[in-house]
Amino acid sequence: AQTVTQSQPEMSVQEAETVTLSCTYDTSESDYYLFWYKQPPSRQMILVIRQEAYKQQNATENRFSVNFQKAAKSFSLKISDSQLGDAAMYFCAYKLYGQNFVFGPGTRLSVLP
Amino acid sequence: DVKVTQSSRYLVKRTGEKVFLECVQDMDHENMFWYRQDPGLGLRLIYFSYDVKMKEKGDIPEGYSVSREKKERFSLILESASTNQTSMYLCASSALVNSGGRGNQPQHFGDGTRLSIL
Repeated sequence: AQTVTQSQPEMSVQEAETVTLSCTYDTSESDYYLFWYKQPPSRQMILVIRQEAYKQQNATENRFSVNFQKAAKSFSLKISDSQLGDAAMYFCAYKLYGQNFVFGPGTRLSVLP
Repeated sequence: DVKVTQSSRYLVKRTGEKVFLECVQDMDHENMFWYRQDPGLGLRLIYFSYDVKMKEKGDIPEGYSVSREKKERFSLILESASTNQTSMYLCASSALVNSGGRGNQPQHFGDGTRLSIL
Protein backbone atom coordinates (compact mmCIF):
# COMPACT_ATOMS: atom_id res chain seq x y z
CA ALA A 1 0.00 0.00 0.00
CA GLN A 2 1.13 3.50 -0.71
CA THR A 3 2.24 5.61 2.24
CA VAL A 4 3.00 9.30 2.63
CA THR A 5 5.45 10.56 5.23
CA GLN A 6 5.88 14.09 6.52
CA SER A 7 8.82 13.96 8.90
CA GLN A 8 8.32 17.43 10.40
CA PRO A 9 5.30 17.54 12.73
CA GLU A 10 5.89 21.24 13.39
CA MET A 11 7.86 24.01 11.76
CA SER A 12 8.17 27.74 12.16
CA VAL A 13 9.31 30.52 9.86
CA GLN A 14 9.90 34.21 10.24
CA GLU A 15 7.56 36.45 8.28
CA ALA A 16 8.98 37.26 4.81
CA GLU A 17 11.40 34.32 4.98
CA THR A 18 11.33 31.07 3.00
CA VAL A 19 10.43 27.68 4.41
CA THR A 20 10.43 24.18 2.93
CA LEU A 21 8.10 21.42 4.08
CA SER A 22 9.18 17.85 3.39
CA CYS A 23 7.14 14.98 2.00
CA THR A 24 8.18 11.52 0.90
CA TYR A 25 6.01 8.74 -0.40
CA ASP A 26 6.27 5.09 -1.17
CA THR A 27 4.95 3.68 -4.43
CA SER A 28 5.87 1.26 -7.17
CA GLU A 29 3.76 3.12 -9.72
CA SER A 30 5.14 5.48 -12.34
CA ASP A 31 2.09 7.61 -13.14
CA TYR A 32 0.43 9.31 -10.18
CA TYR A 33 -0.44 12.70 -8.73
CA LEU A 34 0.82 14.63 -5.75
CA PHE A 35 -0.88 17.42 -3.87
CA TRP A 36 -0.30 19.86 -1.05
CA TYR A 37 -3.33 20.91 0.96
CA LYS A 38 -3.50 23.73 3.51
CA GLN A 39 -5.81 23.72 6.54
CA PRO A 40 -5.84 27.08 8.37
CA PRO A 41 -6.98 27.03 12.01
CA SER A 42 -10.73 26.40 12.19
CA ARG A 43 -11.07 26.87 8.46
CA GLN A 44 -11.64 24.81 5.37
CA MET A 45 -8.89 22.69 3.85
CA ILE A 46 -7.90 24.02 0.45
CA LEU A 47 -5.68 22.86 -2.37
CA VAL A 48 -2.35 24.69 -2.57
CA ILE A 49 -0.59 23.03 -5.46
CA ARG A 50 -0.55 19.79 -7.44
CA GLN A 51 1.94 17.91 -9.57
CA GLU A 52 1.55 15.15 -12.12
CA ALA A 53 4.35 12.60 -11.92
CA TYR A 54 4.76 12.42 -15.69
CA LYS A 55 5.66 16.12 -15.78
CA GLN A 56 9.30 16.90 -15.12
CA GLN A 57 8.74 20.60 -14.54
CA ASN A 58 8.07 21.56 -10.95
CA ALA A 59 4.66 23.13 -10.31
CA THR A 60 4.47 26.73 -9.13
CA GLU A 61 1.57 28.78 -7.78
CA ASN A 62 2.60 32.32 -6.89
CA ARG A 63 4.69 32.07 -3.69
CA PHE A 64 4.28 28.29 -3.52
CA SER A 65 6.48 25.90 -5.46
CA VAL A 66 7.42 22.28 -5.24
CA ASN A 67 10.63 20.34 -5.61
CA PHE A 68 9.58 17.06 -7.16
CA GLN A 69 12.28 14.39 -7.14
CA LYS A 70 10.65 11.33 -8.69
CA ALA A 71 13.55 8.94 -8.25
CA ALA A 72 13.86 9.88 -4.58
CA LYS A 73 10.05 9.86 -4.17
CA SER A 74 10.23 13.28 -2.62
CA PHE A 75 7.76 16.15 -2.99
CA SER A 76 8.68 19.15 -0.88
CA LEU A 77 6.77 22.43 -0.70
CA LYS A 78 8.59 25.75 -0.67
CA ILE A 79 6.82 28.85 0.59
CA SER A 80 8.57 32.08 -0.31
CA ASP A 81 8.02 35.44 1.37
CA SER A 82 6.03 33.80 4.17
CA GLN A 83 2.97 35.66 5.39
CA LEU A 84 1.00 35.41 8.62
CA GLY A 85 -1.86 33.90 6.65
CA ASP A 86 0.34 30.96 5.68
CA ALA A 87 0.12 29.61 9.24
CA ALA A 88 -1.76 26.32 8.94
CA MET A 89 -1.55 22.55 8.87
CA TYR A 90 -0.13 21.37 5.58
CA PHE A 91 -0.94 17.93 4.25
CA CYS A 92 0.90 16.17 1.47
CA ALA A 93 -1.22 13.71 -0.52
CA TYR A 94 -0.65 11.04 -3.14
CA LYS A 95 -3.19 9.81 -5.64
CA LEU A 96 -3.13 7.06 -8.20
CA TYR A 97 -5.50 7.25 -11.17
CA GLY A 98 -8.82 5.72 -10.19
CA GLN A 99 -7.78 5.32 -6.57
CA ASN A 100 -8.44 7.36 -3.44
CA PHE A 101 -6.16 9.94 -1.91
CA VAL A 102 -3.52 8.92 0.61
CA PHE A 103 -2.68 11.73 3.03
CA GLY A 104 0.39 12.29 5.15
CA PRO A 105 0.16 13.09 8.89
CA GLY A 106 0.58 16.81 8.34
CA THR A 107 3.03 19.56 9.29
CA ARG A 108 1.92 22.45 11.46
CA LEU A 109 3.51 25.67 10.22
CA SER A 110 3.77 28.72 12.44
CA VAL A 111 4.68 32.11 11.00
CA LEU A 112 6.44 34.45 13.43
CA PRO A 113 5.94 38.21 13.06
CA ASP B 1 -16.46 27.95 -6.37
CA VAL B 2 -17.34 24.57 -4.95
CA LYS B 3 -19.21 24.72 -1.71
CA VAL B 4 -19.20 21.75 0.63
CA THR B 5 -21.33 22.33 3.70
CA GLN B 6 -21.26 20.25 6.84
CA SER B 7 -24.28 20.62 9.07
CA SER B 8 -22.45 21.25 12.34
CA ARG B 9 -19.05 22.72 13.28
CA TYR B 10 -19.18 21.33 16.81
CA LEU B 11 -21.22 18.45 18.18
CA VAL B 12 -21.33 16.81 21.61
CA LYS B 13 -23.05 13.46 22.02
CA ARG B 14 -23.19 10.69 24.60
CA THR B 15 -21.88 7.15 24.40
CA GLY B 16 -24.40 4.84 22.76
CA GLU B 17 -26.26 7.57 20.89
CA LYS B 18 -26.92 7.34 17.17
CA VAL B 19 -25.18 10.28 15.52
CA PHE B 20 -25.78 11.75 12.07
CA LEU B 21 -23.28 13.98 10.31
CA GLU B 22 -24.61 15.63 7.18
CA CYS B 23 -22.73 16.92 4.16
CA VAL B 24 -24.07 18.75 1.10
CA GLN B 25 -22.17 19.88 -2.00
CA ASP B 26 -23.43 22.25 -4.67
CA MET B 27 -21.24 21.38 -7.66
CA ASP B 28 -22.97 18.25 -8.91
CA HIS B 29 -19.92 16.17 -8.04
CA GLU B 30 -20.25 12.44 -8.42
CA ASN B 31 -17.72 11.56 -5.72
CA MET B 32 -18.14 12.20 -2.03
CA PHE B 33 -15.96 11.16 0.90
CA TRP B 34 -15.91 11.05 4.68
CA TYR B 35 -12.62 11.29 6.55
CA ARG B 36 -11.66 11.52 10.17
CA GLN B 37 -8.69 13.64 11.15
CA ASP B 38 -6.65 12.87 14.25
CA PRO B 39 -3.37 14.47 15.38
CA GLY B 40 -0.35 12.68 13.96
CA LEU B 41 -2.48 10.43 11.78
CA GLY B 42 -3.55 12.83 9.06
CA LEU B 43 -6.78 12.09 7.23
CA ARG B 44 -8.12 8.56 7.17
CA LEU B 45 -10.87 7.55 4.78
CA ILE B 46 -13.99 6.11 6.40
CA TYR B 47 -16.39 5.70 3.47
CA PHE B 48 -16.81 7.06 -0.01
CA SER B 49 -19.43 7.09 -2.71
CA TYR B 50 -19.16 7.39 -6.49
CA ASP B 51 -22.88 7.58 -7.18
CA VAL B 52 -26.30 7.84 -5.59
CA LYS B 53 -27.12 4.84 -3.39
CA MET B 54 -23.60 3.57 -3.90
CA LYS B 55 -21.07 3.29 -1.06
CA GLU B 56 -17.67 1.78 -0.56
CA LYS B 57 -15.69 1.15 2.60
CA GLY B 58 -12.54 3.13 3.11
CA ASP B 59 -9.67 2.32 5.43
CA ILE B 60 -11.49 2.57 8.77
CA PRO B 61 -15.22 1.82 8.28
CA GLU B 62 -15.80 -0.04 11.55
CA GLY B 63 -18.47 1.60 13.69
CA TYR B 64 -19.71 3.80 10.85
CA SER B 65 -22.23 3.64 8.05
CA VAL B 66 -23.23 6.08 5.31
CA SER B 67 -26.19 7.04 3.23
CA ARG B 68 -26.39 8.69 -0.17
CA GLU B 69 -29.99 9.04 -1.25
CA LYS B 70 -29.38 12.16 -3.32
CA LYS B 71 -26.36 13.16 -5.38
CA GLU B 72 -25.64 16.29 -3.40
CA ARG B 73 -25.95 14.78 0.08
CA PHE B 74 -23.74 12.26 1.86
CA SER B 75 -24.47 11.35 5.46
CA LEU B 76 -22.18 9.66 7.95
CA ILE B 77 -23.85 7.64 10.71
CA LEU B 78 -22.37 6.49 13.98
CA GLU B 79 -24.73 3.67 14.90
CA SER B 80 -23.74 3.61 18.59
CA ALA B 81 -21.25 6.32 19.39
CA SER B 82 -18.19 5.45 21.45
CA THR B 83 -15.54 7.66 23.04
CA ASN B 84 -12.90 6.51 20.53
CA GLN B 85 -14.95 8.17 17.81
CA THR B 86 -14.22 11.60 19.25
CA SER B 87 -12.50 13.31 16.35
CA MET B 88 -12.67 15.90 13.59
CA TYR B 89 -14.76 14.66 10.65
CA LEU B 90 -14.22 16.06 7.18
CA CYS B 91 -16.47 15.67 4.18
CA ALA B 92 -15.11 16.14 0.66
CA SER B 93 -16.34 15.96 -2.90
CA SER B 94 -14.70 15.73 -6.31
CA ALA B 95 -15.64 15.41 -9.95
CA LEU B 96 -15.77 12.01 -11.61
CA VAL B 97 -12.30 10.54 -12.15
CA ASN B 98 -12.74 9.45 -15.73
CA SER B 99 -14.61 12.44 -17.08
CA GLY B 100 -11.93 13.11 -19.65
CA GLY B 101 -9.29 14.16 -17.18
CA ARG B 102 -6.31 12.16 -16.04
CA GLY B 103 -7.59 11.55 -12.56
CA ASN B 104 -6.00 14.47 -10.79
CA GLN B 105 -9.26 16.09 -9.81
CA PRO B 106 -8.71 17.67 -6.41
CA GLN B 107 -10.99 17.12 -3.48
CA HIS B 108 -13.00 20.02 -2.08
CA PHE B 109 -13.51 19.95 1.65
CA GLY B 110 -16.12 21.18 4.08
CA ASP B 111 -15.25 23.09 7.25
CA GLY B 112 -15.27 19.94 9.34
CA THR B 113 -17.31 18.78 12.33
CA ARG B 114 -15.53 18.45 15.64
CA LEU B 115 -17.39 15.64 17.38
CA SER B 116 -17.00 14.86 21.06
CA ILE B 117 -18.45 11.68 22.52
CA LEU B 118 -18.84 11.79 26.30
